[in-house]
Amino acid sequence: EVQLLESGGGFVQPGGSLRLSCAVSGLTFSTYGMHWVRQAPGEGLEWVSGITSSGTGTYYADSVKGRFTISRDNSKNTLYLQMNSLRADDTAIYYCAKALVGGTFDIWGQGTMLTVSS
Amino acid sequence: QSALTQPPSASGSPGQSVTISCTGTSNDVGGYNYVSWYQQHPGKAPKLMIYEVSKRPSGVPDRFSGSKSGNTASLTVSGLQAEDEANYYCSSYAGSSNLFGGGTKLTVL
Repeated sequence: EVQLLESGGGFVQPGGSLRLSCAVSGLTFSTYGMHWVRQAPGEGLEWVSGITSSGTGTYYADSVKGRFTISRDNSKNTLYLQMNSLRADDTAIYYCAKALVGGTFDIWGQGTMLTVSS
Repeated sequence: QSALTQPPSASGSPGQSVTISCTGTSNDVGGYNYVSWYQQHPGKAPKLMIYEVSKRPSGVPDRFSGSKSGNTASLTVSGLQAEDEANYYCSSYAGSSNLFGGGTKLTVL
């Protein structure tokens, strides 16, 4: 069974940093692109960032470009999201999702909550 | 990177059909056959229901179907069932990014 398990969420003050992790099991992690998608409380889904299977290609939403960095460690079957200069509007549940084709997210984790507040 | 446009709500009685639209531009929905639809029940992670405009993943009932015309994609749920009540989001590939719609709350009356 394929499983994606996010961790690392929590409470951070504005301007702070945090790193999210997504541990993947049940598939050959190194052969799939991966994404982060977030959902603010009571709001819709927002694509945040994506990374190719090898890690050489990374992509970001304008709202996080320059502040967030996506990366992966294929030896550890783990996806990461380093988040710096956090703002209140970054408050959301962050989901990691496996890429299928052309921006399709076919398997999702259960999410980890990030709260940015003073 | 503007969000795709979906109606905020839709409804139908059990057994009826409902169609949810998703409007983008020629840079996203109209430019690629990579439109997908996700179902999300409260407190749960999204679930892929349709990908590449009209393909269904294994396990998704054939009551769910997708189509596209120009810059507008549509999700049709036929034979509505109580468990179909959820939020539905469309998504489109847009080159180096991906866009979601604002979501449609589907109510089964």
